[in-house]
Amino acid sequence: NAGVTQTPKFQVLKTGQSMTLQCAQDMNHEYMSWYRQDPGMGLRLIHYSVGAGITDQGEVPNGYNVSRSTTEDFPLRLLSAAPSQTSVYFCASRHAYEQYFGPGTRLTVT
Amino acid sequence: GIQVEQSPPDLILQEGANSTLRCNFSDSVNNLQWFHQNPWGQLINLFYIPSGTKQNGRLSATTVATERYSLLYISSSQTTDSGVYFCAGGGGVQGAQKLVFGQGTRLTINP
Repeated sequence: NAGVTQTPKFQVLKTGQSMTLQCAQDMNHEYMSWYRQDPGMGLRLIHYSVGAGITDQGEVPNGYNVSRSTTEDFPLRLLSAAPSQTSVYFCASRHAYEQYFGPGTRLTVT
Repeated sequence: GIQVEQSPPDLILQEGANSTLRCNFSDSVNNLQWFHQNPWGQLINLFYIPSGTKQNGRLSATTVATERYSLLYISSSQTTDSGVYFCAGGGGVQGAQKLVFGQGTRLTINP
């Protein structure tokens, strides 16, 4: 099992550009989430999904879109990047109460 | 929404020392978890502990739900225990999915 994988590991964007952060899991988990972590802070929930075709907003959803067409994949889209979206992004899947985190994507928006 | 406060923010100890990390919640939670983020950024589940006490090796956790706090104990610290420890909680029917994280306790274990 690869667990939860995220690509890319690093990305630099210019303000206004769009991009998709990829997240995939091979554990057949129904629940998946996206978090962002800013320096010196804990994780904040952006969006989550309770199964294919079902997504909902978390604490900080503005500026981000998600979709869940398959159980395995949960991409996060930045429609028009802003410097405030500079952060480390973590994807997670969940089985029962155990969360499995990906290695993260470090995004810088200039 | 739920507010999560962790203390202390930073802790520096020598190898072999014991430590206690605290997490306070502003409201009742039915899902409370502790995580460790290692110095390379990887996040690992430590405990799911909405109430009571659990132990896993040198780590143990206690949650007193009625008083809205949880404690993480690390005994005989090793340098590999270094990193940031987060607690996170959630309430209501979506408590398992909509976790709110504290700001973390950064633990440094010196050899």
